[in-house]
Amino acid sequence: DIQMTQSPSSLSASVGDRVTITCRASQTISSYLNWYQQKPGKAPKLLIYTASSLQSGVPSRFSGSGSGTDFTLTINSLQPEDFATYYCQQSYSSPLTFGQGTNVEIK
Amino acid sequence: EVQLVESGGGLVQPGGSLRLSCAASGFSFSSYWMSWVRQAPGKGLEWVANIKEDGSEKYYVDSVKARFTISRDNPKNSLYLQMNSLRAEDTAVYYCARRQWLVGKDLMDYWGQGTLVTVSS
Repeated sequence: DIQMTQSPSSLSASVGDRVTITCRASQTISSYLNWYQQKPGKAPKLLIYTASSLQSGVPSRFSGSGSGTDFTLTINSLQPEDFATYYCQQSYSSPLTFGQGTNVEIK
Repeated sequence: EVQLVESGGGLVQPGGSLRLSCAASGFSFSSYWMSWVRQAPGKGLEWVANIKEDGSEKYYVDSVKARFTISRDNPKNSLYLQMNSLRAEDTAVYYCARRQWLVGKDLMDYWGQGTLVTVSS
């Protein structure tokens, strides 16, 4: 199974900050990497697919990059509604696996 | 509007069974792979199972193989998860999700609100 490791596990940031979350795969996954946002008590929401493609309706302050084993989710100018937990997920091979999540909290 | 609505969760004793349902609307259900993903209380996301558009292919995470069965009824726009021999570690919110699996991309773009399964005596 491919292990996905996110860092950091949590971070504190202020509105307007630029936030970067890293995801590393235990083996190459090409660009088969998706990012999801989850708020408490809610279902996950797809933000980025195939490493860098923005899902329809997602604000352009979200961006993704990377390929192979190392990936990054960047949120430019953090907004109040962005405080949530973010998960990366590989879709390169079965079983599909997620990172452990990164909780973005208000500083 | 795409909608996925899960039902069937509840409290069940260890060793018991439960059948989850997911009612889909707003898209051509028979044209998409579908998935179940679960989340234990306070924990991260875990993919559980996938099923092909016509039900001919099914895949499971190792921890549920031989205990869980994913199925679908395309005329009824419904996805199911039959869970047998339930264990305490199966306690989780179970989400159904629409999977888009095309050349170069594989993602879960719509999710239901989830249904809670609690396995406890």
